Amino acid sequence: AQTVTQSQPEMSVQEAETVTLSCTYDTSESDYYLFWYKQPPSRQMILVIRQEAYKQQNATENRFSVNFQKAAKSFSLKISDSQLGDAAMYFCAYNAGNMLTFGGGTRLMVKP
Amino acid sequence: EAEVAQSPRYKITEKSQAVAFWCDPISGHATLYWYRQILGQGPELLVQFQDESVVDDSQLPKDRFSAERLKGVDSTLKIQPAELGDSAMYLCASSFVNTEAFFGQGTRLTVV
Repeated sequence: AQTVTQSQPEMSVQEAETVTLSCTYDTSESDYYLFWYKQPPSRQMILVIRQEAYKQQNATENRFSVNFQKAAKSFSLKISDSQLGDAAMYFCAYNAGNMLTFGGGTRLMVKP
Repeated sequence: EAEVAQSPRYKITEKSQAVAFWCDPISGHATLYWYRQILGQGPELLVQFQDESVVDDSQLPKDRFSAERLKGVDSTLKIQPAELGDSAMYLCASSFVNTEAFFGQGTRLTVV
C-alpha cells in the first residue's frame, strides 16, 4: 500500500523568511507523480507544484520549489519570501497507477 | 477556467436521515474521486471512478454509503442513514489519468 507521511503537524515562519515542509513516501513503483497541495482555511484545495519521478530536475513555481530525493523517497517543499497568504494546510500527495494518496498535512502559520 | 462543481456547499441533517451530494467534474476528466476530510486531517479516499466504473471503494462504508456515476460524467454520493460520525467535509476531485487532481469547493456536512 502507498503511504505518505508528513512528520510536521505545524510549522511557523516569519513573513519574508523561508520555510521547508517535509514529506516522505513509501512505494515500490518506479513511475509516479508527487504533488503539494495548499488548502487555506475554509477554502478550496489547490495544486501548488508537481514533480514527475522520472525527472531529476527539481520543480519550481515562482516562490515554491521542491527537493526531490528519489532514493530516499523524500519530497520537501520550500517556500521562499513567505507571505501572509501562504498560511494554510499543506498536503503532500502521491499518484502511481492512478491511485492518489495524501499525507496528513502540515499547518503553516505565517507571522507578520 | 474549468472547475469541479459541487453542491450543496453546506448541509445540516438529522441523524438517521438520508443525504446526497452532487459533483460535476471538469469536462474530459475520466477519473473522479470522492474524499472525506475531517478538520485538520488529510483527505481519505471513499471511492474512485474511472469513467462509469468503480476502481476503488475499499474504504467506503457500504452499509450506509453509495456512489454512482451512471454516464461517466457527474456523480452522486449518498449516505443513508446519516450518523453523527459522518460530520465532515466531502470533497470531489477529477483528473486525467495519472495526473494531478482538481478539487471542488467541497460539501460541509453536519449531522445533528
